[in-house]
Amino acid sequence: EVQLVESGGGLVQPGGSLRLSCAASGFTFSSYSVNWVRLAPGKGLEWISYISGGGATIYYADSVKGRFTVSRDRAEKSLYLQMNGLRDEDTAVYYCARGMSSGRSGGDYWGQGTLVTVSS
Amino acid sequence: EIVLTQSPGTLSLSPGERATLSCRASQSVSSSYLAWYQQKPGQAPRLLIYGTSNRATGIPDRFSGSGSGTDFTLTISRLEPEDFAVYYCQQYGSSPFTFGPGAKVDIK
Repeated sequence: EVQLVESGGGLVQPGGSLRLSCAASGFTFSSYSVNWVRLAPGKGLEWISYISGGGATIYYADSVKGRFTVSRDRAEKSLYLQMNGLRDEDTAVYYCARGMSSGRSGGDYWGQGTLVTVSS
Repeated sequence: EIVLTQSPGTLSLSPGERATLSCRASQSVSSSYLAWYQQKPGQAPRLLIYGTSNRATGIPDRFSGSGSGTDFTLTISRLEPEDFAVYYCQQYGSSPFTFGPGAKVDIK
C-alpha cells in the first residue's frame, strides 16, 4: 500500500525555520517525483515545490524560492522541505504528493498533511 | 507563469444533476499535463483526472474530463451526495505547476 506521512509541522515565530519530512512506503521510491502543496486558511491549493524521482530536477514557486529547499533521501525513503525565513503567509497545511512517474505529473497519492503556523 | 481561472466559483446543484466545471489557462497547456482534484474539508486532495481525460484509479465513470489548449472541462454526469466538495484544476506542464482557485459544488 502506497503511503506518505508528513511530519515536522508546528508553531514557529516569523523569521524562524522548520524542516518538514515526508516518509514514503509501498512503492519504488526513486521511480516517482514528489510535489509539495499547501493549503492556507481560507485559501485554495498552492503548489510550492517539485523534485523529480532521481532528484536532479527541482522547481519552486516564486513565493518560496530562496527560502525553501526540497531534498530527498533514497536510503531513508523520505522527502524533506527545509523552510527558512518563515512569514505569516506561510501558515498552512503542507502536503506531499507522489507523482505518477519520475517526471512531471499530477499527485496520485497524498499525505494527510502537517500544519505549520507562523505567528509571534 | 500559467494562470488558471475556474468558473463558476460556486455551483449550487441537487443530487442527480449534472455539474460542468470550467478551467481556462492564460496560455496553452499540453493536454498531457492537466489534472483535476477533489478536496473535502479536513481531507487531502484526491486526484480525479490526469492528462485532461484519464480517470485516476478508483474514480467512478460519472467523472469525465475534456478539453485542449486553454480550455478544459470537468463533468460530473450525475451528482452523488459525496461529490459535494471543492474542485481544483492544475497544470504541470511548466513550472510553476499552478492550481486554479477552486470551484465549490454545493447542495442546492
